[in-house]
Amino acid sequence: GAVVSQHPSWVICKSGTSVKIECRSLDFQATTMFWYRQFPKQSLMLMATSNEGSKATYEQGVEKDKFLINHASLTLSTLTVTSAHPEDSSFYICSAEGDSYEQYFGPGTRLTVT
Amino acid sequence: GQQLNQSPQSMFIQEGEDVSMNCTSSSIFNTWLWYKQDPGEGPVLLIALYKAGELTSNGRLTAQFGITRKDSFLNISASIPSDVGIYFCAGPQGGSEKLVFGKGTKLTVNP
Repeated sequence: GAVVSQHPSWVICKSGTSVKIECRSLDFQATTMFWYRQFPKQSLMLMATSNEGSKATYEQGVEKDKFLINHASLTLSTLTVTSAHPEDSSFYICSAEGDSYEQYFGPGTRLTVT
Repeated sequence: GQQLNQSPQSMFIQEGEDVSMNCTSSSIFNTWLWYKQDPGEGPVLLIALYKAGELTSNGRLTAQFGITRKDSFLNISASIPSDVGIYFCAGPQGGSEKLVFGKGTKLTVNP
């Protein structure tokens, strides 16, 4: 149980284009999902908290117009990186909240912007 | 904000050895979570702890929730090569649903 998928697992895009990443909870419903970014050899950095049916809450320093989050159902949240630039290249990981603060993570999406 | 200090940063051990790592904070946590992350993958939840003093096992893994609520440790017994990875402790910050993570302990197991 508590399986979370992400799609795509990796993507290469050109500078200036937009990329959408999907996060799905496969066997449970998640009112709350989270989006993280991870740089090499570092811990996870929370970008935003996504609640089903409402606007996402962004962490300080994260541009909400650049990283668009939509949580339209209890099993799906999407992150769109708009007008991507090379500095947006990173490993993006989503998680879905289960019981008692437990978060179940997706396998991550490697984004490379050329 | 709340911070979690994990130690050691990295460990190099021989297959079959036992491993211990810990996580401390200056703030009280009411939940401790231990995750393992393999390269290029998302973290996987290993053990969740909810009560001070609680000792919980998952196969060869054992974790304890410190009595003071400010620390937790994770032990791995009889390590095997697939134990290689980065282990993170995490806990909800200030009662919110957001997790704060330690910086991780990188484990290398030599066959």
